[in-house]
Amino acid sequence: GAGVSQSPSNKVTEKGKDVELRCDPISGHTALYWYRQSLGQGLEFLIYFQGNSAPDKSGLPSDRFSAERTGGSVSTLTIQRTQQEDSAVYLCASSSSVDEQFFGPGTRLTVL
Amino acid sequence: EDKVVQSPLSLVVHEGDTVTLNCSYEVTNFRSLLWYKQEKKAPTFLFMLTSSGIEKKSGRLSSILDKKELFSILNITATQTGDSAIYLCAVWVQGAQKLVFGQGTRLTINP
Repeated sequence: GAGVSQSPSNKVTEKGKDVELRCDPISGHTALYWYRQSLGQGLEFLIYFQGNSAPDKSGLPSDRFSAERTGGSVSTLTIQRTQQEDSAVYLCASSSSVDEQFFGPGTRLTVL
Repeated sequence: EDKVVQSPLSLVVHEGDTVTLNCSYEVTNFRSLLWYKQEKKAPTFLFMLTSSGIEKKSGRLSSILDKKELFSILNITATQTGDSAIYLCAVWVQGAQKLVFGQGTRLTINP
């Protein structure tokens, strides 16, 4: 009965480096979401996967951000050429219904 | 643009007080409204509301939705220090398949 897991829990990187953030959704959940939360801000929707459908990329802040979901399960969010404004907590959520989402513990990204 | 606004942004009360948190929304195609509690990193689900006027209740927490006036409230009675958290309101936008979140209300309960 594991929940959503994310790794790493914390990531410190230098400006300009690429980073990969991983999300393992709850088994059987067909929908997977990525959000980010900057300090003192609300949650910002990034991208959404539903089953094998093409993802909704409308929320990605720039072309430096991309995400994949392999085999309808694990997802990776990649940020290329990181900038200081990318520093935030990146949250992943999964759901089996279209309403309630279960969140992972998040990855705190710090770009120096 | 779809928008969810919460108020107040911050609230400090004493243990035992009752608090009311507000959430108003303007979205293109409303499906449901959700309340979450965020203590550290991950938000935890509290309520989902889809119909007007029907109160959802869980212990000392309750919530109600008004789809005519486009708002919801979250009430917490007999507050405890463990209720200290950020409370997030989110609206599911039908068709867009995404949750639009408010800024959150930071609630602090002092002993």
